[in-house]
Amino acid sequence: AQSVTQPDIHITVSEGASLELRCNYSYGATPYLFWYVQSPGQGLQLLLKYFSGDTLVQGIKGFEAEFKRSQSSFNLRKPSVHWSDAAEYFCAPGAGSYQLTFGKGTKLSVIP
Amino acid sequence: DVKVTQSSRYLVKRTGEKVFLECVQDMDHENMFWYRQDPGLGLRLIYFSYDVKMKEKGDIPEGYSVSREKKERFSLILESASTNQTSMYLCASSALGGGLGEQYFGPGTRLTVT
Repeated sequence: AQSVTQPDIHITVSEGASLELRCNYSYGATPYLFWYVQSPGQGLQLLLKYFSGDTLVQGIKGFEAEFKRSQSSFNLRKPSVHWSDAAEYFCAPGAGSYQLTFGKGTKLSVIP
Repeated sequence: DVKVTQSSRYLVKRTGEKVFLECVQDMDHENMFWYRQDPGLGLRLIYFSYDVKMKEKGDIPEGYSVSREKKERFSLILESASTNQTSMYLCASSALGGGLGEQYFGPGTRLTVT
C-alpha cells in the first residue's frame, strides 16, 4: 500500500537559517510528488511538484525539493528562512491509479 | 485567480443534526475532493468526485455522504453529526484525476459538534 512519512512533527529554526524538511514515501512505482504549505487558518497551497526529468525542482517562495529515487525521498529545502515561512508543510505523493496521500505534516516555527 | 470557496469558516452543530458543508469552485475542474484534517493525522480523504453525479469513497467515508449535482459544486453531508466528527473540513478541486494534478484548496470549515 502507498504511504508517506514526514519524520519531523515540529521544527524550529532561526530566521535566516537554512531549512530541510524530510519526506519519504513507499509506492509501487515512482509517484508524482507534491509539497503543500498551510498557513495558520488557511487552506493548503502548492509549493512545488515533481513529475519527471530534473530531480531538483524549484517552487514558489524560494523553496526547492530534490527527488532521490534510491532513497524514496523528496526533501524540501530553503537556503534562508523568513519569519513568514512559519506554517505547516505537507508532502503528498500521488499516481494515476491512486489519490494523493498526504503526510501528517511538519510544523515549522521561526525564531526572529 | 482560481477560487475554491466553502460555505462557512466556522460551524457549531448539535449531536444528531444533519449537517451540510458546501464547496464551490470556479475553475471548471472535473475532480473535487473532501478531506478532514485533525492534529497529528494530516489530511484524510473522505470522498471524491470525478464528474457530475459520480462519487467515490476515500479512506474514511463512514458517517458521511456527498452530492454533486453541478460541476462546480460538491457537498459533504453528515447525516447525523457526532462529536467525533468535530474537525477541520477541507474541500479541493483538480483538473486531473487520481494523484496527477495540483489540487486547489478552499479555506476550510471548522466544525464543532456538541
